[in-house]
Amino acid sequence: SQQGEEDPQALSIQEGENATMNCSYKTSINNLQWYRQNSGRGLVHLILIRSNEREKHSGRLRVTLDTSKKSSSLLITASRAADTASYFCATTRSNTGKLIFGQGTTLQVKP
Amino acid sequence: GAVVSQHPSRVICKSGTSVKIECRSLDFQATTMFWYRQFPKQSLMLMATSNEGSKATYEQGVEKDKFLINHASLTLSTLTVTSAHPEDSSFYICSARDLVAGNTGELFFGEGSRLTVL
Repeated sequence: SQQGEEDPQALSIQEGENATMNCSYKTSINNLQWYRQNSGRGLVHLILIRSNEREKHSGRLRVTLDTSKKSSSLLITASRAADTASYFCATTRSNTGKLIFGQGTTLQVKP
Repeated sequence: GAVVSQHPSRVICKSGTSVKIECRSLDFQATTMFWYRQFPKQSLMLMATSNEGSKATYEQGVEKDKFLINHASLTLSTLTVTSAHPEDSSFYICSARDLVAGNTGELFFGEGSRLTVL
C-alpha cells in the first residue's frame, strides 16, 4: 500500500476543545507534512516538519515527529467550527521526492 | 505561496470520450509534477510522476495508456483520461515543486478537477 495510516479516521469534538490526530508511515522520509482539505476542495498546506526536527508550532497547530516510531501527531488547540475538514499527513520519500498521503482523519468541530 | 492552476475544475463527459486536464505552475518552474486521484471519502493516491521533457513514471496499477501524461514545458503538465468510463469518475489533483527547491521541497497543489463520466 502507498499509504501510511492515520487515526482516528473520524473525530468529533466541541468548539474550544483540542483535537489530536496521529499518523504512522512505513519508510524513511525526508520530511512530513500536514494538509487540510475542505469537502470537495483542494489541499491547504498546514505545516512541514523535517526528519531532524521533533516538534514544530504554527499558530494553533503543534506537530510532533518521532522517526524512531515512524509516527507524527497533529494537535489543533482551541478548535473552531471552521476547522471542520479532513486532515492528511504526507511523507516525502528521501530517494524519490514523491509525496505519499496517509488515509486521513475527518474532523468535525461542533459549534 | 506559489500558485498551481488546474483546468477545468469540473468536467462531465460521456463514456468513451477523452478528457484533458491541465496543470500549470503560474509563478515558478517545475521539472516535476505529480498527479493524484481521490475517490469520495478516500485519501489521495499518487498516479504518476510527470517529468518535463521525458516520459512520466506511473505507480503500480495505473494504466499508462489510459492516463496519458505530457509535460511539455516547465510550467505545464496535462493528464488525458482516454476512453473514459464511469469508474474513472474521480477528483484529480496535480501538484508541482519549484525546481530550485530540489527533490524534497514543498509541493504546491492545484484546486483539483472533478471528472464525472456518464
